[in-house]
Parts: sequence; C-alpha cells; structure tokens
Amino acid sequence: GESVGLHLPTLSVQEGDNSIINCAYSNSASDYFIWYKQESGKGPQFIIDIRSNMDKRQGQRVTVLLNKTVKHLSLQIAATQPGDSAVYFCAEEKGGSYIPTFGRGTSLIVHP
Amino acid sequence: KAGVTQTPRYLIKTRGQQVTLSCSPISGHRSVSWYQQTPGQGLQFLFEYFSETQRNKGNFPGRFSGRQFSNSRSEMNVSTLELGDSALYLCASSEGQGNTEAFFGQGTRLTVV
Repeated sequence: GESVGLHLPTLSVQEGDNSIINCAYSNSASDYFIWYKQESGKGPQFIIDIRSNMDKRQGQRVTVLLNKTVKHLSLQIAATQPGDSAVYFCAEEKGGSYIPTFGRGTSLIVHP
Repeated sequence: KAGVTQTPRYLIKTRGQQVTLSCSPISGHRSVSWYQQTPGQGLQFLFEYFSETQRNKGNFPGRFSGRQFSNSRSEMNVSTLELGDSALYLCASSEGQGNTEAFFGQGTRLTVV
C-alpha cells in the first residue's frame, strides 16, 4: 500500500473475514521481503518473510504471495480478528544489502 | 526473555543540541539496527551494527551516528538537532546480520523545539 501525504490507505473488514493487504515494491533487484505489523504506540512486529525464490509462504493465519513479474507483494490474513487491527508495512531488501526499504503502510481496521 | 529496550521513551530537545538514544537488544542478539519513523517519510533505515561494527548505513547525514558496545547494546547520536529530526526512533535486534526476524523496541519519541 502506498500512501498519499500523511494519510495511509485503510482497509476495513468485519471480524472473521479474510483480509488482503497489498504492497508494490520498487526494485526489481530486491530478493527478500518482510511484512511487519505495528500497533498504536508500539514498535513494528515481524510477521512473515519471503525470499524471491518462492512465490508463496504460509504462517499461522497469514500467507504472503510474491509476484516478481509485476513487483507485487500481498499479505493475506485469514479469519481476521480485532487484535489484527494495526498498520501493516512491507519491506524489501536488495540482494545481500541488509538495507530495507519500507512501504508507507496500510491501516487495517477490524470491526467486531 | 526480555525484549528490546529503548531509553528514554520520550525526549524533548532544542534545535542545535545533541541527543543520545540507547538500545538494549534481546540477550544473545548481535545485530542492532536503527530506524527513523515520521508521518511524512514513514519508516527509514538509519544504520546497522553487528559485532561492534557498522555494517550498513542508510541515506542520512553525518549528524546521525551510532556505536555498539561489546555487550551488543547500542547508542545512536544526533548532533546539531533540527526541527525535522522530530520522529520516533526505533531500534531492532536480531541474532545475525540483517533483518531476518528482527525484534523492535517501542521506540524513543524525540521532539525538537
């Protein structure tokens, strides 16, 4: 998700729905991608990562999909819960650089 | 085990002053990275320290510096503070170099007036 000015894109879902958060990355040489969750007043929390030799990776209730052709990353959250409400960031790293570039974030709001 | 600890949590400084922020990583973690988070620019990488050596640096002026001690604790320093340095400064630690499964602290909220 890319933001405009100070406003983050927002995704509102109902509890129990599946959520999909998207991220367009910029560097075709990036080969490592990470999703983070940041709750209000807290630091980012690692959710899941994926390397460019994979198209899909699953964790607990989360799945990351990578489409290198269109430089697109998505995070799918199954059975979204109110505790999932947060800002979600994607980050990309170029091969071995260890220097992440972060997306602007998407605000996920889960309604009970 | 204890998480990443950043001190202080909040800080107010005047333009032109310098500031030092501290980060204690998770026990056993040797890598500490620093980030700046602002509403306008989002989350930006400052630098990473691993085994007391700066391994990577983001695109920030030389006023931003850091160091890491033998116990892996790290400090970052900002000299000649500017209003635009007001931000949430985050550190993250990981076992090895890089950002694989990095754990973040709660950050230091710096306000420059």
